[in-house]
Amino acid sequence: QVQLVESGGGLVKPGGSLRLSCVASGFTFSDYYMSWIRQAPGKGLEWVSYITSSGSHTNYADSVKGRFTISRDNTKNSLYLQMNSLRAEDTAVYYCATYSEVQSSFDYWGQGTLVTVSS
Amino acid sequence: QSALTQPASVSGSPGQSITISCTGTSSDVGSYNLVSWYQQHPGKAPQLMIYEDTKRPSGVSNRFSGSKSGNTASLTISGLQAEDAADYYCCSYAGSNTWVFGGGTKLTVL
Repeated sequence: QVQLVESGGGLVKPGGSLRLSCVASGFTFSDYYMSWIRQAPGKGLEWVSYITSSGSHTNYADSVKGRFTISRDNTKNSLYLQMNSLRAEDTAVYYCATYSEVQSSFDYWGQGTLVTVSS
Repeated sequence: QSALTQPASVSGSPGQSITISCTGTSSDVGSYNLVSWYQQHPGKAPQLMIYEDTKRPSGVSNRFSGSKSGNTASLTISGLQAEDAADYYCCSYAGSNTWVFGGGTKLTVL
């Protein structure tokens, strides 16, 4: 079955950096677009970034553009999110999710990893 | 990239039907047949319930249905069950490889 397991979250000071990872199994990772989606405590979902199956194209929400970088390693079935210049408002659970081009939706989600930005 | 507008909460009794609305703009909901809906139970990851405005993934109950008119999409749950109590989020493709979610709706089954 499809599994997405995020890691790398934790407590970081404002202005600091963190790298999130998401390891995939149970499907052909290299066939799928992938995204990061976050949820601040008690708040709604916010799309953060996406990457095509080959990694050749990426895009970001305006709120993180220039600070976050999405990447992937298809040989390791892994997705990454490098987060720099972190702000308090980046505090959230970060989910990785597959994006199905066939269904045009985020069809599988990991359990998420919590990032807390605080001094 | 403004969030789509959903009611904060809706409620219904077991067996009844409820509808959750999701209002966007002509740049997102109104431009593409690419609205999806997600169910999220407390402490859990979201789960896809509806895609491409009206389609149900395999394994999702046919009590869940989606529709759209203009810039507003809707999720209807018929024959409400206790297990349907959750938060529901709509999401729309917004062009240029960006997506926008709604603020979420808390469904209470009375």
